[in-house]
Amino acid sequence: DQQVKQNSPSLSVQEGRISILNCDYTNSMFDYFLWYKKYPAEGPTFLISISSIKDKNEDGRFTVFLNKSAKHLSLHIVPSQPGDSAVYFCAASGNSGGSNYKLTFGKGTLLTVNP
Amino acid sequence: NAGVMQNPRHLVRRRGQEARLRCSPVKGHSHVYWYRQLPEEGLKFMVYLQKENIIDESGMPKERFSAEFPKEGPSILRIQQVVRGDSAAYFCASSFQPGQGTKAFFGQGTRLTVV
Repeated sequence: DQQVKQNSPSLSVQEGRISILNCDYTNSMFDYFLWYKKYPAEGPTFLISISSIKDKNEDGRFTVFLNKSAKHLSLHIVPSQPGDSAVYFCAASGNSGGSNYKLTFGKGTLLTVNP
Repeated sequence: NAGVMQNPRHLVRRRGQEARLRCSPVKGHSHVYWYRQLPEEGLKFMVYLQKENIIDESGMPKERFSAEFPKEGPSILRIQQVVRGDSAAYFCASSFQPGQGTKAFFGQGTRLTVV
């Protein structure tokens, strides 16, 4: 049962353009969402997060949008740079059964930014 | 910069052998989380430990898997009688505050290959 879904396994964009990575969730108890970036043979690195009381959070080139009614969030990277090429994981946490320390991850989207 | 240290980085075991994965958290962190990433999948929560206590092991397979976080020394994830399906990347994360899985730092992972 995939509670966090990233339906695009890969995305390719041109340097300087916008990258939009999407994520859907099914569990209404999730109240905190995170994006992680992962390079090959490395661990996930936290990128940006958003609480369910907000619909947007911005940090430099990275913006996360949350649409609670649609149970959908997206990560925008603008402008995209070749160094952004990595796998991006969407993750969620919430009060599901009281386990708000547990992260539920999507399968990831491989972003390739072409020079 | 002493982040989360995991060793070994790569581990090869024959079917039926034991695998021991070690995780040294960030200095001062006493909360450790283990995740497993199977091929083509996202990370899946396995267990949450505090020093000398298992808080939540709901994601751990019931047999052959165990975890500990002793008063002194690293956290250990132990897999007995490994099978091919145990081949995966195992990630450890640590946090300072209890239950702060959303603020945890991840290690680089141990890639277990069962032959």
